Amino acid sequence: SAVISQKPSRDICQRGTSLTIQCQVDSQVTMMFWYRQQPGQSLTLIATANQGSEATYESGFVIDKFPISRPNLTFSTLTVSNMSPEDSSIYLCSVPEGSGNTIYFGEGSWLTVV
Amino acid sequence: AQSVTQLGSHVSVSEGALVLLRCNYSSSVPPYLFWYVQYPNQGLQLLLKYTTGATLVKGINGFEAEFKKSETSFHLTKPSAHMSDAAEYFCAVSVFYGGATNKLIFGTGTLLAVQP
Repeated sequence: SAVISQKPSRDICQRGTSLTIQCQVDSQVTMMFWYRQQPGQSLTLIATANQGSEATYESGFVIDKFPISRPNLTFSTLTVSNMSPEDSSIYLCSVPEGSGNTIYFGEGSWLTVV
Repeated sequence: AQSVTQLGSHVSVSEGALVLLRCNYSSSVPPYLFWYVQYPNQGLQLLLKYTTGATLVKGINGFEAEFKKSETSFHLTKPSAHMSDAAEYFCAVSVFYGGATNKLIFGTGTLLAVQP
């Protein structure tokens, strides 16, 4: 399975600030996905990041709030901008493997906004 | 559009008892189905998946699930619960995206507690 590393693993942030989360994969992948898991809830897809093109955002998520970079086939960043306590969540990076039939997740980045 | 329903947000079983976590899906195309487990303070780990072929799929840690098209179900079972199985379990269905299975729609999760 793909090895997916996320940084930071945890952080406590002040409201109004921005934080960039990094996702590094040990193999080249075309698509990378960013999910959010709010406290006690399920996972919701934020956006799909393809290398060489703009990220595709899901309904309810906008680029100004969650800008994404995808500079190469093994790396992506998600920025959570102008954070509020409602942004306190786990943010997870995920990638498909092989034929795309299996999706693997990183360990997540636990963000608390105070 | 695909969707997933997990019945029972909390399930409690005794150690050694059968574990049954329910998942029903809705999909306009043949689905790919997944179960993930999330242990406390950890990310998601793939338990098992159904894509095509045999409808009874076996996963890690003694879990298995059966795809039943007629019932649109993909329930997760384990014959004998261990204390270490206490975690949250998510059922997910794939959304075909760009010709491959990539985007996942998740259920709301079931928190499994195992009592000694």
